[in-house]
Amino acid sequence: NAGVTQTPKFQVLKTGQSMTLQCAQDMNHEYMSWYRQDPGMGLRLIHYSVGAGITDQGEVPNGYNVSRSTTEDFPLRLLSAAPSQTSVYFCASSYQRGAYNEQFFGPGTRLTVL
Amino acid sequence: DQQVKQNSPSLSVQEGRISILNCDYTNSMFDYFLWYKKYPAEGPTFLISISSIKDKNEDGRFTVFLNKSAKHLSLHIVPSQPGDSAVYFCAAIFQGAQKLVFGQGTRLTINP
Repeated sequence: NAGVTQTPKFQVLKTGQSMTLQCAQDMNHEYMSWYRQDPGMGLRLIHYSVGAGITDQGEVPNGYNVSRSTTEDFPLRLLSAAPSQTSVYFCASSYQRGAYNEQFFGPGTRLTVL
Repeated sequence: DQQVKQNSPSLSVQEGRISILNCDYTNSMFDYFLWYKKYPAEGPTFLISISSIKDKNEDGRFTVFLNKSAKHLSLHIVPSQPGDSAVYFCAAIFQGAQKLVFGQGTRLTINP
């Protein structure tokens, strides 16, 4: 199993550009989530999904969209990038009981918005 | 408002000694707590968890203690090893919710 994979590993965007951060897992996990990590802030939940076709907002959802058309994939879209979205983004998944269960994290995407 | 706080940004401990990482929370609706460990350039990995109905959970060298009245939890690592050098995050879940709230993290350095 590859676990949780994220692409790209690094990305530089200009303000106003759009892009999609990809996340995939091959463990047949129902629960998937996106976090951003900023210095002194820990990890903050952006969006999460408890299954295909079901998504919900986390702590900091503004400026981000998600969809969950399959169990395996959970892409994060930035519609119009802003410098405040410069961060390291982590995708995670877990099997049952969602956030109550151990979450497996991907290696992260480091995003810089100029 | 930071609902889960790790007030020590860093901690340095000698190899073989005990490492104690602390975490405070403000919301009494949290009913489950977890610790994650993170190495540089990697995603966090799950370490240990505890339900609010317990006050202690052990897994090998790692023990988590929960003091509900003080809204405080701590992670004890005994004995500390060089491979334990990492950033440790505590996290909490609202009762019945699927949202994890993380603290700011504590960077643990184990000195030989």
